[in-house]
Amino acid sequence: EVQLVESGGGLVKPGGSLRLSCAASGFAFSSYSMNWVRQAPGKGLEWVSSISIGSSYIYYADSVKGRFTISRDNAKNSLYLQMNSLRAEDTAVYYCARFSVYSSWDYWGQGTLVTVSS
Amino acid sequence: QSALTQPASVSGSPGQSITISCTGASSDVGGYNYVSWYQQHPGKAPKLMIYDVSNRPSGVSNRFSGSKSGNTASLTISGLQAEDEADYYCSSYTSSSTGVFGGGTKLTVL
Repeated sequence: EVQLVESGGGLVKPGGSLRLSCAASGFAFSSYSMNWVRQAPGKGLEWVSSISIGSSYIYYADSVKGRFTISRDNAKNSLYLQMNSLRAEDTAVYYCARFSVYSSWDYWGQGTLVTVSS
Repeated sequence: QSALTQPASVSGSPGQSITISCTGASSDVGGYNYVSWYQQHPGKAPKLMIYDVSNRPSGVSNRFSGSKSGNTASLTISGLQAEDEADYYCSSYTSSSTGVFGGGTKLTVL
């Protein structure tokens, strides 16, 4: 069974940093691109970042470019999101999602809540 | 990275059919057959319902179907059931290799 479990969310002050993790199991993690998608309270889904199988191709939404860094450790079946210079508008549930061979996100984690507030 | 355009809400009675539209541009929806649709119930993670415009993952009811014409994709749900009440999001691959979602549509089953 495919499982994606996010962790690392919490309350952080504006300007602070946080590192999210996503532990994957039940599939060949090293064979899939992975993504982070977020959802602000009461709002829609927003794509945040993607990373290719071997980390050669990395993309970011304009809203997080220069502040967030996506990475992965295929040996540990884990995906990460380092978030720096956090702003109130970064408050959201952050989902880890597997990008399927059919250009869609076929499995999602349960999400981890990040709250940026003083 | 402009969001795709969806109606904010749609509604229908049990047994009826509804269609949700998703309008983009030639750089995303119109340029690729990589449109997908997601269902999200309150407090839950999104669930993939349609991929590559019109394909259903295993386990998704055949009451859900997708199509595309030009820069607009559509999700049709036939034989509406109470459990279909949820938020629905479209998404598309883009020419800049980034992802983009629609603003979401709240489906109410009357």
